[in-house]
Amino acid sequence: DSGVTQTPKHLITATGQRVTLRCSPRSGDLSVYWYQQSLDQGLQFLIQYYNGEERAKGNILERFSAQQFPDLHSELNLSSLELGDSALYFCASSGGQGWITFGSGTRLTVV
Amino acid sequence: AQSVTQLGSHVSVSEGALVLLRCNYSSSVPPYLFWYVQYPNQGLQLLLKYTSAATLVKGINGFEAEFKKSETSFHLTKPSAHMSDAAEYFCAVSPRSQGNLIFGKGTKLSVKP
Repeated sequence: DSGVTQTPKHLITATGQRVTLRCSPRSGDLSVYWYQQSLDQGLQFLIQYYNGEERAKGNILERFSAQQFPDLHSELNLSSLELGDSALYFCASSGGQGWITFGSGTRLTVV
Repeated sequence: AQSVTQLGSHVSVSEGALVLLRCNYSSSVPPYLFWYVQYPNQGLQLLLKYTSAATLVKGINGFEAEFKKSETSFHLTKPSAHMSDAAEYFCAVSPRSQGNLIFGKGTKLSVKP
């Protein structure tokens, strides 16, 4: 157990729908990162939050948004879903100094 | 911009043989470098990381990596492969001014009995 908790583990939804992925970081970690892993794109950095504020943005689509709440948990919202959004979505957390710990991921299947 | 290139999308070795997974990076500033392992249907587990201390970094499960600035490389090695090492391995770079990781495309390691 890495200490980073992601829910749900699996999600199946239809095109055009909206879903929310949830992440609880390791205790004490202020930074949360979201990554997307797909067969064609590999592991892509989406977005980072630090203590509730957006810190860095990567290849995140406009249909996707995220936030980090006062209790430091984070949610990734994916809307107007397309077949190509099917992927494994990872959350990771860090307390600084480059130690980034990953959760076990949410597998999203869009049908 | 930082980038990582992993040579060989698939490497196959015999049990007991040397494991060598190659990683080259591109960075305008001294980076942090990482190796992660992903077992089937699991998340990413940190094997080791380089943050400008010793250039030879020892990680978990007998793996180690050597940072060579002149070659911009950070190859992962293990003297003797075990069946349980079969997994996908990712090299990653992190710009020191930020925390996010930029990953290579991964190398799938197969270990033959």
